[in-house]
Amino acid sequence: DAMVIQNPRYQVTQFGKPVTLSCSQTLNHNVMYWYQQKSSQAPKLLFHYYDKDFNNEADTPDNFQSRRPNTSFCFLDIRSPGLGDAAMYLCATSRGPEAGESYEQYFGPGTRLTVT
Amino acid sequence: QQQVKQSPQSLIVQKGGISIINCAYENTAFDYFPWYQQFPGKGPALLIAIRPDVSEKKEGRFTISFNKSAKQFSLHIMDSQPGDSATYFCAALRMDSSYKLIFGSGTRLLVRP
Repeated sequence: DAMVIQNPRYQVTQFGKPVTLSCSQTLNHNVMYWYQQKSSQAPKLLFHYYDKDFNNEADTPDNFQSRRPNTSFCFLDIRSPGLGDAAMYLCATSRGPEAGESYEQYFGPGTRLTVT
Repeated sequence: QQQVKQSPQSLIVQKGGISIINCAYENTAFDYFPWYQQFPGKGPALLIAIRPDVSEKKEGRFTISFNKSAKQFSLHIMDSQPGDSATYFCAALRMDSSYKLIFGSGTRLLVRP
């Protein structure tokens, strides 16, 4: 089945220790997104890639970086995790606006990040 | 103008009842309105979506009602089941110029057996 895969599903890191979360997709979608979701809140968009074009949200901290080496993979790097960065990190994909009526964002299962 | 307001925050419904969740938006440029269902520990999954040229869309037990003049849309879950217990998010998007889904704050639904 075509899908959005996130690894690992659970990640524990120490305060200040860099961590990388990964996302892969078999949908061949142009657009990949990273969201942060804290308990009982809506997902918050951190950034997205349209093909190789990177788009950062204005309020995304510099501590968060992303890489997209090819269509299928996208990485979220947290350079110096703080306690406030503990959250669920969701990857999503979609086609671009040319998809028209068939637009849909597909979410992965998420990576639960714990910062100790 | 970018906000989507969702209510109620939580909802308890008896099995077989109708669950109704409401959303309102300000930006008339939004032209795609999806509803996402999220179970604990899982990513959101698209449930149903509507474009503003349609007033109602039904898929199985799930119906979106859309009122363009009032800038409101709602999700109705008919014959609610315990398996529908989840958090529901409405969202809005401008498909021609933005990839950013504007999410509502979410509704935690509990369907009692």
